[in-house]
Amino acid sequence: DVKVTQSSRYLVKRTGEKVFLECVQDMDHENMFWYRQDPGLGLRLIYFSYDVKMKEKGDIPEGYSVSREKKERFSLILESASTNQTSMYLCASSFYGLAENNEQFFGPGTRLTVL
Amino acid sequence: AQTVTQSQPEMSVQEAETVTLSCTYDTSESNYYLFWYKQPPSRQMILVIRQEAYKQQNATENRFSVNFQKAAKSFSLKISDSQLGDTAMYFCAFFLGNQFYFGTGTSLTVIP
Repeated sequence: DVKVTQSSRYLVKRTGEKVFLECVQDMDHENMFWYRQDPGLGLRLIYFSYDVKMKEKGDIPEGYSVSREKKERFSLILESASTNQTSMYLCASSFYGLAENNEQFFGPGTRLTVL
Repeated sequence: AQTVTQSQPEMSVQEAETVTLSCTYDTSESNYYLFWYKQPPSRQMILVIRQEAYKQQNATENRFSVNFQKAAKSFSLKISDSQLGDTAMYFCAFFLGNQFYFGTGTSLTVIP
C-alpha cells in the first residue's frame, strides 16, 4: 500500500514562530503537493514539486515556502506563522503526468493552530 | 484556468437509499481525468472512483457510479444502498497537466 505520512497530526504554535511540516511518501512518486483545507473553500494548492529541488507555486503560496531535497520528502515551511494560517494541511503525492493509473495519495493531515 | 464546482455544500440520505452528488467543471482541454475523493471524519482522504475523459462508458466501483456528461462538463457521483460508513466529505477533482484541481466539497450524512 502507498503510504504518505505527515510529521504531526496536531500542532499548536505561536504567532511569529517558524513552523516546519514534513511529508514522506514511499511509492517513488515524482509529484508531491501541499494543500490547505478550510471549510467552504475545499482544497487549495499551496506548492507542488515534480522533482527533487524543483517547486512550483500553487494558488496560495504567500507566507509559505517549501523544500524538496530528497524524492520521498517534501517540507512546508511557514517562515513566520500568523493566525490566518490556522488550518488543516494535507500532503499528497502522485506519479508524474497523465496516466491511466494516476491518482493522488493523501497523508492524514496536520491540523495547525496558530495562537 | 480549470475550475471545479460542487454546488451542494451539504446533503443527507437515509440509510439504504440512493444519493447523487453533483460536480461541474470547466476546461478547454479534451483529454483529462476526473476523480471523486472521500474524506471520512478525522480520517485520510481516499479515492472513490476515477473517469477518463476519452472513455464514454461511465465508471463503476461497487455501489459507486458516475454519470459523466462530457459535453455538459458534468461529473456526478451516485451512491446506491447508502451505508453509515459513507458519511464523509466528498471532493470532485480534475486532473490536467500534472496538476489536480478540487471542488469545495459536499458533506454527506447518512441517516440511520
